[in-house]
Amino acid sequence: EAGVAQSPRYKIIEKRQSVAFWCNPISGHATLYWYQQILGQGPKLLIQFQNNGVVDDSQLPKDRFSAERLKGVDSTLKIQPAKLEDSAVYLCASSLRSWAAQVDTQYFGPGTRLTVL
Amino acid sequence: AQSVTQLDSQVPVFEEAPVELRCNYSSSVSVYLFWYVQYPNQGLQLLLKYLSGSTLVESINGFEAEFNKSQTSFHLRKPSVHISDTAEYFCAVSVQGAQKLVFGQGTRLTINP
Repeated sequence: EAGVAQSPRYKIIEKRQSVAFWCNPISGHATLYWYQQILGQGPKLLIQFQNNGVVDDSQLPKDRFSAERLKGVDSTLKIQPAKLEDSAVYLCASSLRSWAAQVDTQYFGPGTRLTVL
Repeated sequence: AQSVTQLDSQVPVFEEAPVELRCNYSSSVSVYLFWYVQYPNQGLQLLLKYLSGSTLVESINGFEAEFNKSQTSFHLRKPSVHISDTAEYFCAVSVQGAQKLVFGQGTRLTINP
């Protein structure tokens, strides 16, 4: 079974530029998550999708960050314009939404390392 | 709101020595608890989880963690570490009924030969 795919793996941009990250979850996984992991910190949830609907985006800086999952499969996270403090690893995860399970296991992609200069 | 504290940012140990990585959480409601591992240049992988039942949970590669409700802790232990255990370890919680994970800051485990 293929894992969660993310691209690009690395991105370097200057502040005020725009950037987009792509994630393709594990086939059949209804729930998709984007996390931000700043160096020296644990991952922080930015947004959670259930199919193509947003479940939780309470920690997404909506003035500059946006995300979509139009067909309920792959997803794009965009930053426009980027700031220095956006330098981080952006992790995508997916889980199989099983109503019978107590909790879903989240499977993580390798991440995209963003450096903002 | 839930929070997770990993008390050690780095833990160096010698190969074949025992190790304990500490994790404390705070929550006003019942939670599920997880340990994730991140090997160099790889994504996060689930190591083990506590949902309910026995408070001692084990992974397939010799790690174990014990849920202690009174001390709000979920420490990770291994009796004898190997070089291949070198990685960053993250403790996480999720509230029962929700899927959102709240992570600790991570502990970098370094194994010296």
